[in-house]
Amino acid sequence: EIVLTQSPGTLSLSPGERATLSCRASQSVTSNYLAWYQLKPGQAPRLLVFGASSRAIGIPDRFSGSGSGADFTLTISRLEPEDFAVYSCQQYAASPWTFGQGTKVDIK
Amino acid sequence: VQLVQSGGYFVQPGESLRLSCAASGFTFSLHGMSWVRQAPGKGLEWVSSLSGSGAKTDYADSVKGRFIISRDNANNTLYLQMSTLRADDTAVYYCAKAIFGSQSFSLPFDNWGRGTLVTVSS
Repeated sequence: EIVLTQSPGTLSLSPGERATLSCRASQSVTSNYLAWYQLKPGQAPRLLVFGASSRAIGIPDRFSGSGSGADFTLTISRLEPEDFAVYSCQQYAASPWTFGQGTKVDIK
Repeated sequence: VQLVQSGGYFVQPGESLRLSCAASGFTFSLHGMSWVRQAPGKGLEWVSSLSGSGAKTDYADSVKGRFIISRDNANNTLYLQMSTLRADDTAVYYCAKAIFGSQSFSLPFDNWGRGTLVTVSS
């Protein structure tokens, strides 16, 4: 099983600042099959990035994904008020399809 | 795309329950569908996946032998039959759609339901 470890657990930032979230895999993720999701209470999770760096439909360009192998990053270039949420990475390269424990981005 | 899930449930350990997820806005039979859960205070956990045709399934070890995923392509509905429920099955259960129409399960989820809270407690 591929274990995903996200860091930091919580990121306290102000609107307009840059957020950098890390997701490290316990082994290389084949074909960079790594996705990022945004989670908000009471809402459906939202796909942001797949294939490590491809933005999903309708996702603003302030969200960008990068990385390869076992080391991946989600960057939010300038935080908007609606971006304060939990972010989770997922690998879909090998079953069981696993998620990281999440990084909470909260308002400083 | 809409994925509409059934309401919340409170059940006792050992009981059974069936969750449903009504889909619209896409060709349901072409897309693999999955269930993902989130226990209180925990991260997301993949539970099960089912191919568009219904011929191929996959389960997490934690639910294998207790849960059955199925679909009714005539009525665009996904199901999760849950049996021998345990306290550690308590979670919000989400249905999720694979991004592309493919028989592969190696795909991210581009649309999710809002979730169904299942509480297992005596």
